[in-house]
Amino acid sequence: GESVGLHLPTLSVQEGDNSIINCAYSNSASDYFIWYKQESGKGPQFIIDIRSNMDKRQGQRVTVLLNKTVKHLSLQIAATQPGDSAVYFCAENYAGTASKLTFGTGTRLQVTL
Amino acid sequence: DGGITQSPKYLFRKEGQNVTLSCEQNLNHDAMYWYRQDPGQGLRLIYYSQIVNDFQKGDIAEGYSVSREKKESFPLTVTSAQKNPTAFYLCASSLDSMRTEAFFGQGTRLTVV
Repeated sequence: GESVGLHLPTLSVQEGDNSIINCAYSNSASDYFIWYKQESGKGPQFIIDIRSNMDKRQGQRVTVLLNKTVKHLSLQIAATQPGDSAVYFCAENYAGTASKLTFGTGTRLQVTL
Repeated sequence: DGGITQSPKYLFRKEGQNVTLSCEQNLNHDAMYWYRQDPGQGLRLIYYSQIVNDFQKGDIAEGYSVSREKKESFPLTVTSAQKNPTAFYLCASSLDSMRTEAFFGQGTRLTVV
């Protein structure tokens, strides 16, 4: 696979447990946030997004929490499965630069059996 | 099937040569993007195009060029002026901006030999 994220922070979780991946964003003007999942050798895959007028948004087995006060974003994955093993990126955007996403460096999630 | 296709998956280039990476989408998206990904880093924006015959520089455009003659196609040329071209290149498309879900291709791994 691709040598993506050789030195990324890594979160190891046992299968069936819940995972929490954290992200600190940089721009207080950012009002749109996305989580992407990237498996080795593949392009990023959209997981869930949230706008700044919300604090929480839920999808299927995933929840994103937004704390604008401390510029913090988290992704919670319920009942983590081996197929969840990947690198997870948060990305931020604000209306002033609608076409530009600023990506974090990523977190590698390893699911152990 | 609708999607975004990058080719080739692996590409080798000799120093001093230009090389063009292909990106095609059949999602009828107006906006297309090129990102570069290096180990341990998030994605960085090279160029983007919001409409046919128009494109804008991203954060790291030096040494790269693009064209957008057709809505479906957004090729990226890595020129000999790019000092460190070895990287994983990702193309993406979205309906109109990065403030909605973007779809990524599977990437092209470029290696300079």
